[in-house]
Amino acid sequence: KAGVTQTPRYLIKTRGQQVTLSCSPISGHRSVSWYQQTPGQGLQFLFEYFSETQRNKGNFPGRFSGRQFSNSRSEMNVSTLELGDSALYLCASSPPGQTYEQYFGPGTRLTVT
Amino acid sequence: AQSVTQLDSHVSVSEGTPVLLRCNYSSSYSPSLFWYVQHPNKGLQLLLKYTSAATLVKGINGFEAEFKKSETSFHLTKPSAHMSDAAEYFCVRPFYGGSQGNLIFGKGTKLSVKP
Repeated sequence: KAGVTQTPRYLIKTRGQQVTLSCSPISGHRSVSWYQQTPGQGLQFLFEYFSETQRNKGNFPGRFSGRQFSNSRSEMNVSTLELGDSALYLCASSPPGQTYEQYFGPGTRLTVT
Repeated sequence: AQSVTQLDSHVSVSEGTPVLLRCNYSSSYSPSLFWYVQHPNKGLQLLLKYTSAATLVKGINGFEAEFKKSETSFHLTKPSAHMSDAAEYFCVRPFYGGSQGNLIFGKGTKLSVKP
C-alpha cells in the first residue's frame, strides 16, 4: 500500500500571501490529521477530518483552515502568512477504528520570507 | 493530567552499544502508547505500539519497548545501535477528550550515534 503523500514537499512564500497544502491518505483511511512542527513548539495539532467533517481542532488562529474531500484527500490553507508560520506541516491518516494509530506523510516544509 | 515525559532531550551512544530512550506517562489508567522516529527532514514513522496486550512490544529495526505500569514507564531499547538509528524519537499517547487532538507527543529525544 502506498503511504501518505503530501504535496508540495517544499514551498517558499512571502508574508501576506496564502498557501494550500495537500495530503492524500493511505487507501482505506478516512481520518486525516494535520500537525505543525517547529523547533521551538514541537509538534502541535491543527485539526482532524473524518468523512469530510472537521472532528477536532487545535488552538490555532482562524487563518488556518482545512477541508476533506469525498475521496478522503485533505487540504489545509493558511491565509495572510506570517513569518512564524514557517514550519514543517505534517499530515497523518488513521486506519478505520484506530484513530490513535497514525501514519505520517513526509511533510511540507513551508518557509515564509 | 494526560501527558508523556521524555526524560532526555539528547542521548549519544557509540555504534554497537545499547540504546535506552526513556519515557514516562501520567494517567489514572493505562493508555495505549507509541514510539515514533523522525529522520532529518522526514515525516514520523511508527516504530511500535502498546495496546494492553503483551507488555514487551517489538517494533521495527530491532527496537523494543516494555510497558511497566508500576513505574508508569515505556522505555525504548535496542541492543546494538547502528549509524542509521541517528534520528529524533517521540513517545506518544492518545489524548482522550477535549480539543487538543487525538495524540500527545513528548518533546522528543535526539539520538546521536558515534562511529
